[in-house]
Amino acid sequence: RKEVEQDPGPFNVPEGATVAFNCTYSNSASQSFFWYRQDCRKEPKLLMSVYSSGNEDGRFTAQLNRASQYISLLIRDSKLSDSATYLCGTYNTDKLIFGTGTRLQVFP
Amino acid sequence: DAGITQSPRHKVTETGTPVTLRCHQTENHRYMYWYRQDPGHGLRLIHYSYGVKDTDKGEVSDGYSVSRSKTEDFLLTLESATSSQTSVYFCAISRGTGFTDTQYFGPGTRLTVL
Repeated sequence: RKEVEQDPGPFNVPEGATVAFNCTYSNSASQSFFWYRQDCRKEPKLLMSVYSSGNEDGRFTAQLNRASQYISLLIRDSKLSDSATYLCGTYNTDKLIFGTGTRLQVFP
Repeated sequence: DAGITQSPRHKVTETGTPVTLRCHQTENHRYMYWYRQDPGHGLRLIHYSYGVKDTDKGEVSDGYSVSRSKTEDFLLTLESATSSQTSVYFCAISRGTGFTDTQYFGPGTRLTVL
């Protein structure tokens, strides 16, 4: 089993929709989790960090489920500009391990 | 803006030639990282540094070496480039003190080995 797994998608959703992605992790001792957004041919940019049960920033909510070892990202009221690949990551000892990313395409 | 630059931004080279990629930071952070990103594999850690002259291997370190003689610069060297090292290389820094901190990425270097 991979240390961090994501559904690659693509998730195709209309503007205004709510969409959720899950990210599963194998290390039960993981303490910190990260969601990054990556546009085509650009560097990953931090969307949010999660150190406890969850985090919220505007239309974006991250929820951590330690019992089932996954972290979700919920995007409400999707915008065309939300189209990107979303990467999740968590530390295994001193190394940040990433999933392969979930691609989101928002259409008009 | 995390104050990270990478050079060169694009490079095409031939198999067997040495290549050095440079990562430069302006904010004096202790931790620096080199990743490669390939379709289907995501971001994979090559090497990282936790101080001047202090480096360690990541998941995919074979064929790569690193050096850090100054806090602000972290160099990644491909001693003899191979086609399997064609990739996008990202440098990252973390602003905190260690192993739970957010990492911030540079703009990347697109390397093609012919």
